[in-house]
Amino acid sequence: AQSVTQPDIHITVSEGASLELRCNYSYGATPYLFWYVQSPGQGLQLLLKYFSGDTLVQGIKGFEAEFKRSQSSFNLRKPSVHWSDAAEYFCAVGLNTGFQKLVFGTGTRLLVSP
Amino acid sequence: GAVVSQHPSRVICKSGTSVKIECRSLDFQATTMFWYRQFPKQSLMLMATSNEGSKATYEQGVEKDKFLINHASLTLSTLTVTSAHPEDSSFYICSARDDGHEQYFGPGTRLTVT
Repeated sequence: AQSVTQPDIHITVSEGASLELRCNYSYGATPYLFWYVQSPGQGLQLLLKYFSGDTLVQGIKGFEAEFKRSQSSFNLRKPSVHWSDAAEYFCAVGLNTGFQKLVFGTGTRLLVSP
Repeated sequence: GAVVSQHPSRVICKSGTSVKIECRSLDFQATTMFWYRQFPKQSLMLMATSNEGSKATYEQGVEKDKFLINHASLTLSTLTVTSAHPEDSSFYICSARDDGHEQYFGPGTRLTVT
């Protein structure tokens, strides 16, 4: 069965420091991969996506992610974190069959310290 | 960009009553809409997938008779929680997909059953 693992429940990063959020997936076919951000009480905003091609994808707000097929990973990175980046981050796999459902990871809560 | 709205954003209802949540794609036609449920500090759990003009496909463990989904047009899907109970209190999020691989998410509806 398809699954997405985000091993870090919480991460605290100092403002201005770099960030890496981990995501591993299990899916038999070539996945569509997404990173979303959710602020408290809000819906999801798409940060970036990978469908095919260049394995390093750029997103909004200075985020990037790299697809590594050999490691079944799609880690999210940002070189310098801002206080406004504090939020919940979800990695998701899009199934490329049927209704193309999304399978979400459990999320990582990012805290930014001054 | 693709915009999805939900109405209402918050609703409080008494136990035993029914409540309807609307999900609209504002600037595109959604071939498929999805309904998710999110408990506090948890990930999104897919409840059902709906296609315009056909019956919704429910995920395992979701009660069809309790969570009625209607996808009346290519821009509107509704979720009705029937005979709501306090355990149905949750954050409900819809998403819509056009012909591509990406889902566009609504801002969510906070349901509180007293």
